[in-house]
Amino acid sequence: EAGVTQFPSHSVIEKGQTVTLRCDPISGHDNLYWYRRVMGKEIKFLLHFVKESKQDESGMPNNRFLAERTGGTYSTLKVQPAELEDSGVYFCASSRGLAGVTRGIHEQYFGPGTRLTVT
Amino acid sequence: GDSVTQMEGPVTLSEEAFLTINCTYTATGYPSLFWYVQYPGEGLQLLLKATKADDKGSNKGFEATYRKETTSFHLEKGSVQVSDSAVYFCALSKIYNQGGKLIFGQGTELSVKP
Repeated sequence: EAGVTQFPSHSVIEKGQTVTLRCDPISGHDNLYWYRRVMGKEIKFLLHFVKESKQDESGMPNNRFLAERTGGTYSTLKVQPAELEDSGVYFCASSRGLAGVTRGIHEQYFGPGTRLTVT
Repeated sequence: GDSVTQMEGPVTLSEEAFLTINCTYTATGYPSLFWYVQYPGEGLQLLLKATKADDKGSNKGFEATYRKETTSFHLEKGSVQVSDSAVYFCALSKIYNQGGKLIFGQGTELSVKP
């Protein structure tokens, strides 16, 4: 079974440009999460999809960030226009549907991350 | 709101030394607790987990016990190896009212020297 994949692995852009990050979850996983780690700090939640619907986008920093998950498969995270403070590592994770989850156990499988550098 | 606090790194140990990485949490209700590890150049991997008070998670020689009375989930290993060098993240989640999103600590970088 293929794991979670992310593309690109590294992106360097100038302030004001647009970047789109892609995440391909494990096949059959309904839940897809985006997280971000900035400057060696804690990893912070951005948003959560259940299939194609946004379940929780409370962690999205501002309206420069747009996430989509068309057809409930892969997801994209677009930053437009990028600012210096957007630099960091963006992680995607997926997990199976909660209906099959036993008490309290909800394992998320993470991708390798996309390192975004805004100059 | 809910939060996780880890001891700051980096932590540098000699091979075969004893490891403790402290983790405490603040949360309402009954969160599940996790340790994730990120090896150099790789993504996060689940190391171990615990879902209720007094549960002990263990994997690869690492252990952590869910202590509700002290709101802690400290990671321990009796004898570290060079291959354990990585960044370790403590995290919590609450499935039933937060959709399972993970709340992480800031990470602790461990470096093990031969």
